[in-house]
Amino acid sequence: EPEVTQTPSHQVTQMGQEVILRCVPISNHLYFYWYRQILGQKVEFLVSFYNNEISEKSEIFDDQFSVERPDGSNFTLKIRSTKLEDSAMYFCAARRDSYTDTQYFGPGTRLTVL
Amino acid sequence: DAKTTQPNSMESNEEEPVHLPCNHSTISGTDYIHWYRQLPSQGPEYVIHGLTSNVNNRMASLAIAEDRKSSTLILHRATLRDAAVYYCILLNQAGTALIFGKGTTLSVSS
Repeated sequence: EPEVTQTPSHQVTQMGQEVILRCVPISNHLYFYWYRQILGQKVEFLVSFYNNEISEKSEIFDDQFSVERPDGSNFTLKIRSTKLEDSAMYFCAARRDSYTDTQYFGPGTRLTVL
Repeated sequence: DAKTTQPNSMESNEEEPVHLPCNHSTISGTDYIHWYRQLPSQGPEYVIHGLTSNVNNRMASLAIAEDRKSSTLILHRATLRDAAVYYCILLNQAGTALIFGKGTTLSVSS
C-alpha cells in the first residue's frame, strides 16, 4: 500500500514563531493536499497543489500559510506567525491523477502552539 | 457543495454486519460517492467509492440507491479494528478537495 510520510510527528512552538511541516508524498502522485483537524473537531481542507501551483484553497488558508515543493519530493506547509488557534493535527494527502482516485493520507503532525 | 447527512453514531457487535447510511438528496449526476474512515489517532483512509452501481472491495461494499439520493456502506463482519469515524463525501471534477462532515462514529463491542 502506498505511504505518505510526515515530519515531525509532534511540533511545539511559541506563538508568533514560524513553523514548517513536511510531507513526503507518494512518488508517482501528482496532486497534494493539506488538511487540518483541531482536537475534537472535523477534518478541514486547507489547500491543494498541482504542477507546482495551488489549485484550490479554503478560507482558512490565508496569508499566514504557504505551500511549496522545493526539491520535487518534500511538500511543505509553512505557517509564518503561529497563533494559539493553529494548534491542530495537520494531515498531508496525495492523489495519483484522476479526481476519483484515492487520496492517501499521512499520519499527521501534531502542532501545539503555546 | 453537495451535502451529505449521516447519523452521529452507531453501535455494532463484533462479527456482525454493519450498515452505515448516508443521505445525499441534492447529489448531481457527476458526483461520485466516496467513503473514508478515520481510526483513532490516525489520518483518514479510503474505504470505497462508486457512481451508480453497487461496488465491492476487500474492505466493504457500497450499495447505492437507484435514484442515487442515498447510499449505504456495508461492513460484512465488523471487527474491533473497524471502530472509527466513517465519512460519506461527494466528489466531482469541479473540486477535488475532500470536504468532511462530522461522519458516523461506529463503536464495535466484543
